[in-house]
Amino acid sequence: DAGITQSPRYKITETGRQVTLMCHQTWSHSYMFWYRQDLGHGLRLIYYSAAADITDKGEVPDGYVVSRSKTENFPLTLESATRSQTSVYFCASRREANYGYTFGSGTRLTVV
Amino acid sequence: GQQLNQSPQSMFIQEGEDVSMNCTSSSIFNTWLWYKQDPGEGPVLLIALYKAGELTSNGRLTAQFGITRKDSFLNISASIPSDVGIYFCAGLYHGSGNTGKLIFGQGTTLQVKP
Repeated sequence: DAGITQSPRYKITETGRQVTLMCHQTWSHSYMFWYRQDLGHGLRLIYYSAAADITDKGEVPDGYVVSRSKTENFPLTLESATRSQTSVYFCASRREANYGYTFGSGTRLTVV
Repeated sequence: GQQLNQSPQSMFIQEGEDVSMNCTSSSIFNTWLWYKQDPGEGPVLLIALYKAGELTSNGRLTAQFGITRKDSFLNISASIPSDVGIYFCAGLYHGSGNTGKLIFGQGTTLQVKP
């Protein structure tokens, strides 16, 4: 099906473990984004990518790593998970001429 | 950095009432967007505004791009229970260049009493 999908939908991990959240879009959109959503903070940009192999930091990048070897995939890795990274993570993509993002359904991550 | 101040933070209204929420900033924005987020889902685009003064409707929703380019409002008429959710404004900052990074407001949580 066409769209943007995130996996897993829910994840529980332990402090210090590495965890990767996946994002896949079928439209060949150039731009992709990772946000985290926390109560009281709204949506905060972690990383974004303008094209394959081009990534840049957002507002809260510390503790996260991204890669974009293929246009359709934009995985987000927590190198050593901390409790403060417990959050809901949203991936989004955008076409060149369309300023509206399309969001995935989110990954709810709990770090214990 | 650039910020959007969205208000009110939350609303609890009776079914059938009209709703109004707004976003303001000290910075100029080129584009204003309004999103709705249902529980457990990602935000979904409701309305996009591209020109100062633009007034756009989508069913019972109406949004306007402020003349000063520093604000926008969203109205919902005759609210129904399925309007429940979090509404976000988002702006494309004038200085963003081609990165297309949106700045989001803090959200307005809407609850509708049947």
